[in-house]
Order: sequence, then structure tokens, then C-alpha cells
Amino acid sequence: GDSVTQMEGPVTLSEEAFLTINCTYTATGYPSLFWYVQYPGEGLQLLLKATKADDKGSNKGFEATYRKETTSFHLEKGSVQVSDSAVYFCALFKTGGFKTIFGAGTRLFVKA
Amino acid sequence: EAGVTQFPSHSVIEKGQTVTLRCDPISGHDNLYWYRRVMGKEIKFLLHFVKESKQDESGMPNNRFLAERTGGTYSTLKVQPAELEDSGVYFCASSQGGGVTEAFFGQGTRLTVV
Repeated sequence: GDSVTQMEGPVTLSEEAFLTINCTYTATGYPSLFWYVQYPGEGLQLLLKATKADDKGSNKGFEATYRKETTSFHLEKGSVQVSDSAVYFCALFKTGGFKTIFGAGTRLFVKA
Repeated sequence: EAGVTQFPSHSVIEKGQTVTLRCDPISGHDNLYWYRRVMGKEIKFLLHFVKESKQDESGMPNNRFLAERTGGTYSTLKVQPAELEDSGVYFCASSQGGGVTEAFFGQGTRLTVV
């Protein structure tokens, strides 16, 4: 069945470090891909998305490119801030489809 | 346009009590989904409504959980009786019918069972 695999955390970085959180997926058809973020004590927020191959989603300095050939959607940010500390979820949704499938989540800690 | 709204935002109940969570989807969205994240683990699918009908309830953990969507508008998720392991965050999402490419999530209800 369809699935999403993302790197285990926690990931601990110093402020201004480069961030990569790996995400790969398995799915039939052509899913849309997402990164969601859950800040401490808050709900689930959409961070960025890409709906087709080679699309790049970006928001708040975060980027991810939909790579069909490697079935990947890695999240990157050039310079993290303490305020980026949160849990990040990679997810897929199939067009016309019936549920969002999430990865296990990666907790990010950014130290000042 | 209003997003997906969930009530309450937080709930603390004792083991054995009943709790009802509510979700108001985006107006006109036929699809409504419930998910939950327990004990800091992954977000898991619970069930999917298309209008008032349950399309897929394969993720419902046991018969202590009852979801309804009368009239195909808002939905409720009742937990009766609640157990400690039910603590977590319950998310609702909605999407339009047809060839949509994403669902829209609410802010979640944080449930604590003590």
C-alpha cells in the first residue's frame, strides 16, 4: 500500500545551521506531496506542497522538490532559527483520493 | 472563507467518562476525515465520510469510538468510555469531491484522559 518514510529524529541543530529532513514515498498513481508542521502546543499547519513532478514547494525559507525518479520530497532550509523547533510531517494525498498518509514525523530542536 | 474548525481545542476528562469532539468542515466539502496522533507518535487515519456516509472506517481503533456526520455537514467523534491511551491530538480534515489534490486540516483537539 501507499506509505511515507521520513528520517527519524530528533534532529538537533544550532541556529543558522542547514537543515535537511529526508522523505521518500511509495504510491501508485501521482500523489500530491506535503510537509506539515506542528509547533509545541499547537495544531497541524501546512508548510508547503507540490502537486506534480519537478514542482518545488516553498514557504518561510523552507523548500522541497517533488522528485518522481527518486520518489522523494526532502525538506530543506538554509538557516534554521530557534522558532523552527517543531515536529515536521511529510505526507501524500492522491488526487481524488481518500486520505492523507503521513510519515512518522521528525522532531527538530534548534539551539540558540 | 472559514477553514476547518474543531471544538473544543482542549479537553481534560477522567478515565471512564465520555467526550464528544466536533468538526465543522469547509462549506461545500463532501469529504471529511478524522485522524489522531497519540503519545507523540505518527498521525493515523481514523475514518472518512463522503457526505453523511462512512466511506472508510478502517482506522477506528475499537467500538468505544463512534463518529457521525448527520446531514453531511459537521461531524462528531465520541469516545465512550475514554481510556488513558486515548490521550492525544485529534485532527479533522475536509476536501472537495472530484479530482482534488489536498485535504485541509483543522487545528486539532488535544484530549487528555487522566
